Amino acid sequence: SAVISQKPSRDICQRGTSLTIQCQVDSQVTMMFWYRQQPGQSLTLIATANQGSEATYESGFVIDKFPISRPNLTFSTLTVSNMSPEDSSIYLCSVGGVGTGTAGGYTFGSGTRLTVV
Amino acid sequence: EDQVTQSPEALRLQEGESSSLNCSYTVSGLRGLFWYRQDPGKGPEFLFTLYSAGEEKEKERLKATLTKKESFLHITAPKPEDSATYLCAVQRGSQGNLIFGKGTKLSVKP
Repeated sequence: SAVISQKPSRDICQRGTSLTIQCQVDSQVTMMFWYRQQPGQSLTLIATANQGSEATYESGFVIDKFPISRPNLTFSTLTVSNMSPEDSSIYLCSVGGVGTGTAGGYTFGSGTRLTVV
Repeated sequence: EDQVTQSPEALRLQEGESSSLNCSYTVSGLRGLFWYRQDPGKGPEFLFTLYSAGEEKEKERLKATLTKKESFLHITAPKPEDSATYLCAVQRGSQGNLIFGKGTKLSVKP
C-alpha cells in the first residue's frame, strides 16, 4: 500500500500564528484528503486536495482558515491559519484510488498533533 | 442525512473472550464500508472494505460482515495486542471521501 510521510508529527503553537503540515506520498495518487480529529471525536473531512486546481472544502471549513496546496500527485500541504485553542486537534492526510493497495480503501498518514496555547 | 453510528463506545474484554462491534449506517448510495484500527497517537490503519450485503472478510482474529443496514466486526479469542479504537466509515456513491463513526475503544486484559 501507499506510504505517507506527514510532518510535523506534533507541534505546540501560539494563538494567532499559522502552521503548515506536509504530506508526502511514495507514489502518485489520484485522491488526497485532509481530515481533522478533535479530542474524543472521530474524523471529519476538511477538504479534498485537487492537483492543479483549488481544493474542495466541506461545510464549515473555509480556504482562508485552511489553505491547501497540491502541486503534484505525490505532495500536499495544509496550513492552519490564525490559530486559536479550538484548532487543537490531530490533522490527518489520507490518500485513495488506484495503486494505494488498500482494496478500494484509503491510507492515512500518522497525523499531526497540534496544540494551540 | 448520511450517518454512521458505532456501538458500544467502549468495550472491555478478557483475553480469549470473543465479542462483536456494531456499525449501523444510513447513507444514500453506499459505495463501500470500511473498518480501520487506530492506536493512540497514530493514524487509522486499514483493515477491511465491504461492498455488498452478505459479504464477509477475515484477517487473523477479525471478521467483518455487512448487511443492508449495519456491519459487524467480530473478534475471536482476542489478545491484549488487539486493544485499540476500531473505526467504521462509509463511502457514498457520488463522493470520494469517507464518513466516519466515533469508534469503539476496545481494551483486552490478559
